Amino acid sequence: DTAVSQTPKYLVTQMGNDKSIKCEQNLGHDTMYWYKQDSKKFLKIMFSYNNKELIINETVPNRFSPKSPDKAHLNLHINSLELGDSAVYFCASSLGRGPNSPLHFGNGTRLTVT
Amino acid sequence: AQSVTQLDSQVPVFEEAPVELRCNYSSSVSVYLFWYVQYPNQGLQLLLKYLSGSTLVESINGFEAEFNKSQTSFHLRKPSVHISDTAEYFCAVRGVTGGFKTIFGAGTRLFVKA
Repeated sequence: DTAVSQTPKYLVTQMGNDKSIKCEQNLGHDTMYWYKQDSKKFLKIMFSYNNKELIINETVPNRFSPKSPDKAHLNLHINSLELGDSAVYFCASSLGRGPNSPLHFGNGTRLTVT
Repeated sequence: AQSVTQLDSQVPVFEEAPVELRCNYSSSVSVYLFWYVQYPNQGLQLLLKYLSGSTLVESINGFEAEFNKSQTSFHLRKPSVHISDTAEYFCAVRGVTGGFKTIFGAGTRLFVKA
């Protein structure tokens, strides 16, 4: 009955590889997000989709490409991984984009690039 | 644009003592304010939120926060902490413009000692 689920939980890979992280929510929400949390716990938004439409696209290298096949799924594909990509990536969802729409987070994917 | 400053990166406190975690925000538009909690190896969970109305908001587990517009603050308090309150606490702001992005502070680690 997990609300926002991410896979995999851990991802260890080498520089230059391409990897994907998947996210699914069963809350009936229409807006999904990707956040990056660095080693100092700082959280930065990367992307947001509302009903499969990209609505937030922060200054993220174009090696990162989100894909939303439907409003319950938001995947993140990363090409040519670099050491600096090592972080915890959180998927989140909300019902709508308004202020009364708190975020519901998954448990994160810890990506380690060696 | 909005920004959030959490003045303390770590707050150690003894069990059953009171605690205050400080949060200040900056914004040129009206905002909505949130506190999220992150337990080890988990995603963030909403603790409480201020949207409008009474400036004092409470959570179900004894935390409260007060919105102070003149001081642009939204400090989190608890009169008596438990060991289980040990976690990372994030203050967040969401503006009424700019795509309703949720911007997080750098987090405060609350460490409750026996």
